[in-house]
Amino acid sequence: DQQVKQNSPSLSVQEGRISILNCDYTNSMFDYFLWYKKYPAEGPTFLISISSIKDKNEDGRFTVFLNKSAKHLSLHIVPSQPGDSAVYFCAASGGSNYKLTFGKGTLLTVNP
Amino acid sequence: GAVVSQHPSRVICKSGTSVKIECRSLDFQATTMFWYRQFPKQSLMLMATSNEGSKATYEQGVEKDKFLINHASLTLSTLTVTSAHPEDSSFYICSATTNYGYTFGSGTRLTVV
Repeated sequence: DQQVKQNSPSLSVQEGRISILNCDYTNSMFDYFLWYKKYPAEGPTFLISISSIKDKNEDGRFTVFLNKSAKHLSLHIVPSQPGDSAVYFCAASGGSNYKLTFGKGTLLTVNP
Repeated sequence: GAVVSQHPSRVICKSGTSVKIECRSLDFQATTMFWYRQFPKQSLMLMATSNEGSKATYEQGVEKDKFLINHASLTLSTLTVTSAHPEDSSFYICSATTNYGYTFGSGTRLTVV
């Protein structure tokens, strides 16, 4: 039972263009969402987060959009850079605990 | 910022032996540590939550006698994979909650041969 879904295993974009990574969730208790970037053989590094009281959060080139009614969030990276090439995980938490539930990740490749 | 140091980064062990993975919080006190496992092309799956000084809480389907977790101090949590088998080969990552959010270790690639 995958509560957090990233349906695109991979995405390829050209340098300078926008990268849009999508994430869907099924658990209505989730109220905090995070995006992580992960290089091979390394731990995830935090990128950006959003709480359910917001529908948008922006940090530099990264913007996360949350559509609660659709249980959908997306990460926009603009402009994309070759160094952004990595696996991006969407994660969610909610309720009274701090447990994170992760999606399977999307491999982003930014081509020079 | 908060840093979690995880060792070893890679380990190869023989089937039937035990392997210990350590996670240390370097500049903060980690009251709670989470242990995850990631199989290839899969998501990070939470194995257990450990709180300093108390028994770990294991997720459904995770054998607590096989994956021993010790969180004896506020700066050190360990995961011991006992009697490892090839199917235990995976990427193990720890994570701690801090004032800045969640901080992850760099992970341990375990290969059981």
